[in-house]
Amino acid sequence: TQLLEQSPQFLSIQEGENLTVYCNSSSVFSSLQWYRQEPGEGPVLLVTVVTGGEVKKLKRLTFQFGDARKDSSLHITAAQPGDTGLYLCAGARGSQGNLIFGKGTKLSVKP
Amino acid sequence: DAGVTQSPTHLIKTRGQQVTLRCSPKSGHDTVSWYQQALGQGPQFIFQYYEEEERQRGNFPDRFSGHQFPNYSSELNVNALLLGDSALYLCASTQLGQPGGYTFGSGTRLTIV
Repeated sequence: TQLLEQSPQFLSIQEGENLTVYCNSSSVFSSLQWYRQEPGEGPVLLVTVVTGGEVKKLKRLTFQFGDARKDSSLHITAAQPGDTGLYLCAGARGSQGNLIFGKGTKLSVKP
Repeated sequence: DAGVTQSPTHLIKTRGQQVTLRCSPKSGHDTVSWYQQALGQGPQFIFQYYEEEERQRGNFPDRFSGHQFPNYSSELNVNALLLGDSALYLCASTQLGQPGGYTFGSGTRLTIV
């Protein structure tokens, strides 16, 4: 059973386009984290959201945590080839609890 | 400031063998977690160590065991290897009680033939 569903699974876009990746669950999480992973590397933390309804911005990336703390979205504005990678969302229950990952969204941004 | 260091980077084993993977956490971190990432999947939690004890465990069989040393480094041991154990094994560290996410290593790519 996949507790965190990510969509879309694959996304191929042109440089300059906008995109949104979704992370949905029927479970409540105390926090939700977004990671980016490149081939042959471990995931790198982008952001942690904790409060329902919270919005965080990281340059061209905007992260939102749902009001009920069950879902999240990642929006990228004016995508660049350097944004290419696997985007993973991960939910945590409790402080430093184990992370439950989605399967990821594989993003390819073509110049 | 060194991040999380894992060794070896790649490993090939045959079915039935045993393997030990190693992890040094980020400086200042005291908690180590291990994850298994199969091809095309997100990482799956194996277990977490703090103060040299297993603090949490995921849904993995007893063939998977671990250890944490006084210097916070950790080992993951897998016995009686199966073809399905082929995966990227990731180590992640954090400091218990501090907010924020985990720092992941680059992983060990384990191939069972």
